[in-house]
Amino acid sequence: NAGVTQTPKFRVLKTGQSMTLLCAQDMNHEYMYWYRQDPGMGLRLIHYSVGEGTTAKGEVPDGYNVSRLKKQNFLLGLESAAPSQTSVYFCASKSAGGGSYEQYFGPGTRLTVT
Amino acid sequence: KQEVTQIPAALSVPEGENLVLNCSFTDSAIYNLQWFRQDPGKGLTSLLLIQSSQREQTSGRLNASLDKSSGRSTLYIAASQPGDSATYLCAVNDYKLSFGAGTTVTVRA
Repeated sequence: NAGVTQTPKFRVLKTGQSMTLLCAQDMNHEYMYWYRQDPGMGLRLIHYSVGEGTTAKGEVPDGYNVSRLKKQNFLLGLESAAPSQTSVYFCASKSAGGGSYEQYFGPGTRLTVT
Repeated sequence: KQEVTQIPAALSVPEGENLVLNCSFTDSAIYNLQWFRQDPGKGLTSLLLIQSSQREQTSGRLNASLDKSSGRSTLYIAASQPGDSATYLCAVNDYKLSFGAGTTVTVRA
């Protein structure tokens, strides 16, 4: 089972460049999430989606945009990358039907902005 | 805003000793709490999920307890092994997951 996959695994950007991170899940989950993890900190929620065509802001949304055009995919975009966006990005998905279900995480994308 | 704290930030024990990892949270209105393991440079592996109605959950050498009223959870790892060396994260689920910063565990052979 593929579960949650993320593309790419690594990326280096120059300040001001743009890029899109792709998250895909094959579990037919309704909810999808993007987190970032910085050294010495836990994961922080950037944006999330509770269904196809919907998105919402999380804890640290500035500088990021997202889209959920298909149920299985959740895209995270950086329009103009900044060094402060150097981080490890994790995608997660969860079944709907209440808050009690666990989230499943992808392997992460390591992004460096120089 | 939910605040999740994990103490200590790092822990080093000799092989065979039992591990006790603490997690505290500020808002008791939660659906569940998850414990994750993260190896260096890797993703998150879910270890245990405790629903808000449960007091504890066990899996092999791992046991996690939850006391919602006091805003605390504890992860016990019995008879630690060098392979248990990793960072352990707890996450509280209200409508989203709020993570602690983690406890980095080193088990010395």
